[in-house]
Amino acid sequence: AQSVAQPEDQVNVAEGNPLTVKCTYSVSGNPYLFWYVQYPNRGLQFLLKYITGDNLVKGSYGFEAEFNKSQTSFHLKKPSALVSDSALYFCAVRERDKIIFGKGTRLHILP
Amino acid sequence: DTAVSQTPKYLVTQMGNDKSIKCEQNLGHDTMYWYKQDSKKFLKIMFSYNNKELIINETVPNRFSPKSPDKAHLNLHINSLELGDSAVYFCASSQNSGGPLWTDTQYFGPGTRLTVL
Repeated sequence: AQSVAQPEDQVNVAEGNPLTVKCTYSVSGNPYLFWYVQYPNRGLQFLLKYITGDNLVKGSYGFEAEFNKSQTSFHLKKPSALVSDSALYFCAVRERDKIIFGKGTRLHILP
Repeated sequence: DTAVSQTPKYLVTQMGNDKSIKCEQNLGHDTMYWYKQDSKKFLKIMFSYNNKELIINETVPNRFSPKSPDKAHLNLHINSLELGDSAVYFCASSQNSGGPLWTDTQYFGPGTRLTVL
């Protein structure tokens, strides 16, 4: 089974609307989860991570993610999307001795 | 100041050639990584070094050889380049914060786009 899955290749959201980018995981032991964003022709930038503690994690640029153990999910959310949020978003999970990245979800924010 | 830098940004070369990509981080981090991102944007770890010692060596052809002259640098040398090596290669670094292993935030370089003709 995939360690981390991003079921959507692309998500389209109108500017000002809430956005969700989905991520599910499958690892043994405690899950350590991350979100990174990649803007065109740039390296990845860290958004947020869940290691322990509150299930709702707040990160950069107004993003947050909710760790849901029963659903093995770590969806990325933002209450009001901006056109500048358009980018490629990667969910990642620690598996044993490395970080495994999902295949990425392209987020398009429509003006 | 650029935190993680890579040179060159673009590299176009012929099959069979040998090439190197350099990476430097000025963050004082202990751990550095090389990733390969293919044309479908799939990102995969290749190598990781901690304080100049190799700690991750994924299933990568032995034509790829990382070299860490000091903990601020991790270079990637590729011998006998093949068409399938065409990709964007990212260097990254992280600082051991004392938390669970492999949970430290990684800082990525801008990438090197390698095209093998």
